[in-house]
Amino acid sequence: DQQVKQNSPSLSVQEGRISILNCDYTNSMFDYFLWYKKYPAEGPTFLISISSIKDKNEDGRFTVFLNKSAKHLSLHIVPSQPGDSAVYFCAAYTSGTYKYIFGTGTRLKVLA
Amino acid sequence: DAGVTQSPTHLIKTRGQQVTLRCSPKSGHDTVSWYQQALGQGPQFIFQYYEEEERQRGNFPDRFSGHQFPNYSSELNVNALLLGDSALYLCASSTPGSGYEKLFFGSGTQLSVL
Repeated sequence: DQQVKQNSPSLSVQEGRISILNCDYTNSMFDYFLWYKKYPAEGPTFLISISSIKDKNEDGRFTVFLNKSAKHLSLHIVPSQPGDSAVYFCAAYTSGTYKYIFGTGTRLKVLA
Repeated sequence: DAGVTQSPTHLIKTRGQQVTLRCSPKSGHDTVSWYQQALGQGPQFIFQYYEEEERQRGNFPDRFSGHQFPNYSSELNVNALLLGDSALYLCASSTPGSGYEKLFFGSGTQLSVL
């Protein structure tokens, strides 16, 4: 049973445009959501997080939006840069469980 | 400041064999988690060690076991290897904080079971 879903395996975007990566979840007990970025031959690195009591969190070019009623979150990257090309994982966390539930990832390619 | 280091980077084993993977956490971190990432999938939680004890375990069989040492480094052991154990094994370290624990991942060990 996949509690966190990323339905788009890949996405291509022109440099300078907006990238929107989507994530859906089923478990309403999640109280934090995070995005991790992974380059080939490297481990995932933390990008941005949002608490379930917020609906938006912004950090530079990266903004995460949370729609609790729809159990949906999205990551916006504006403007997109070629260095953003990577696999992006959405992850969900419930306090006290000590474990993340990851989606299957979306491979973003930013075209120069 | 060294980040999370894992060894070895690649490993080839045969079905039925046993394997040990190693992880040194980021300086200042006392908690180590292990994740398995199969091809085309997201990382799946195996277990977490804190204060040398397994604090939480994911949906993995007992063939998967671990250990944490007093210096916070950790080992993941897999017995009776199956073909399906072929995956990237990621170690992540963290330190307790408010809310969630931000994970810092190593580059992983790529295990191939033939």
